[in-house]
Amino acid sequence: DSGVTQTPKHLITATGQRVTLRCSPRSGDLSVYWYQQSLDQGLQFLIQYYNGEERAKGNILERFSAQQFPDLHSELNLSSLELGDSALYFCASSVGLSYGYTFGSGTRLTVV
Amino acid sequence: QQPVQSPQAVILREGEDAVINCSSSKALYSVHWYRQKHGEAPVFLMILLKGGEQKGHEKISASFNEKKQQSSLYLTASQLSYSGTYFCGTELDYAGGTSYGKLTFGQGTILTVHP
Repeated sequence: DSGVTQTPKHLITATGQRVTLRCSPRSGDLSVYWYQQSLDQGLQFLIQYYNGEERAKGNILERFSAQQFPDLHSELNLSSLELGDSALYFCASSVGLSYGYTFGSGTRLTVV
Repeated sequence: QQPVQSPQAVILREGEDAVINCSSSKALYSVHWYRQKHGEAPVFLMILLKGGEQKGHEKISASFNEKKQQSSLYLTASQLSYSGTYFCGTELDYAGGTSYGKLTFGQGTILTVHP
């Protein structure tokens, strides 16, 4: 157990639907990062939050949104899902700048 | 701005050594190295900060050449447990600013160690 908790572990949903992925960072970590991993794209950065504030954004689609709550847990919302959104979604947390990431076990999303 | 890793794949016998390289076209503040086993999350190995330092972790060490924006991961006397995909993650160096710890990962190097 890395200390970063992601739920659910697996999610199967239909095209056009909306899902919410949840992440609880390791205790004491203020930064939360979301990454998408697919076979052909590797680990793609989506978005970062630091202590509740959005700090950096990657090539995140407009259909995707995220937030970090006062208790520091974060949620990634994916809407109008397409087949191409099927991937492994990782959340990672760190103490702060220039510290290693601790990754959660990921949520495997399958869009059918 | 994705860093480029080489080689794409390495096959070793136990006890052999390997070097994995990571190269960026942008100025870097730090380089991270992670190992991911099939079906699992990436695991942090080490971080190297601007300044060209070399770090070690048991039989796995790394270097960072700030001038060339290159990092290398050295695996010596490889063990079966070293098998997995190795990723470098780079944090850009913004003059007068910060990338807030955001990492861009390379495409990965698949390392396979056979008995």
